Amino acid sequence: NAGVMQNPRHLVRRRGQEARLRCSPMKGHSHVYWYRQLPEEGLKFMVYLQKENIIDESGMPKERFSAEFPKEGPSILRIQQVVRGDSAAYFCASSLQGRGDGYGYTFGSGTRLTVV
Amino acid sequence: AQKITQTQPGMFVQEKEAVTLDCTYDTSDQSYGLFWYKQPSSGEMIFLIYQGSYDEQNATEGRYSLNFQKARKSANLVISASQLGDSAMYFCSLADSNYQLIWGAGTKLIIKP
Repeated sequence: NAGVMQNPRHLVRRRGQEARLRCSPMKGHSHVYWYRQLPEEGLKFMVYLQKENIIDESGMPKERFSAEFPKEGPSILRIQQVVRGDSAAYFCASSLQGRGDGYGYTFGSGTRLTVV
Repeated sequence: AQKITQTQPGMFVQEKEAVTLDCTYDTSDQSYGLFWYKQPSSGEMIFLIYQGSYDEQNATEGRYSLNFQKARKSANLVISASQLGDSAMYFCSLADSNYQLIWGAGTKLIIKP
């Protein structure tokens, strides 16, 4: 039973390009969360999605960032016109319920985005 | 506002010794959960242990135990018989009525042979 799969593991983009980060949740999980981790810091919440719905995007920057979780396929975090400050590790997590209670949220291995 | 504080930026511990990683939290909710995650140098985030606010007993998972002191709002992680493979960043996080996880800044643990 595969865990949360994120790809690519590492992504390098030039300033101004677009970055697409993919996340396939654990089988049976319909709740997906995206977090960002800057160097030497803990994770910061970005967005919470269920299939075809954005439940909470309060942690998303107002511009250039968008997320989706279509009926079929992985969840996508999209960053348009990347800047150096977007360089970070982006983690996806999934859970069976809306709160990851006793078994926690299952995290993917993250995508490390480097903007050059 | 919810907050997690990890006051130890780094720790050195001799192999086979027990180690306690500190975590204090702040929330106005009555129902909440506390998590500890391990992040090795490879970068993935590994779930270690969970404590619910209404759990009367401290959580344990193998060599990991959570010293939960509700009145003090602390949830320290105890690792018994430390191993070289325990060297990593350790994060404490809080989930309350909101599903978002609030994270501390982490503690870098280095186990010395």
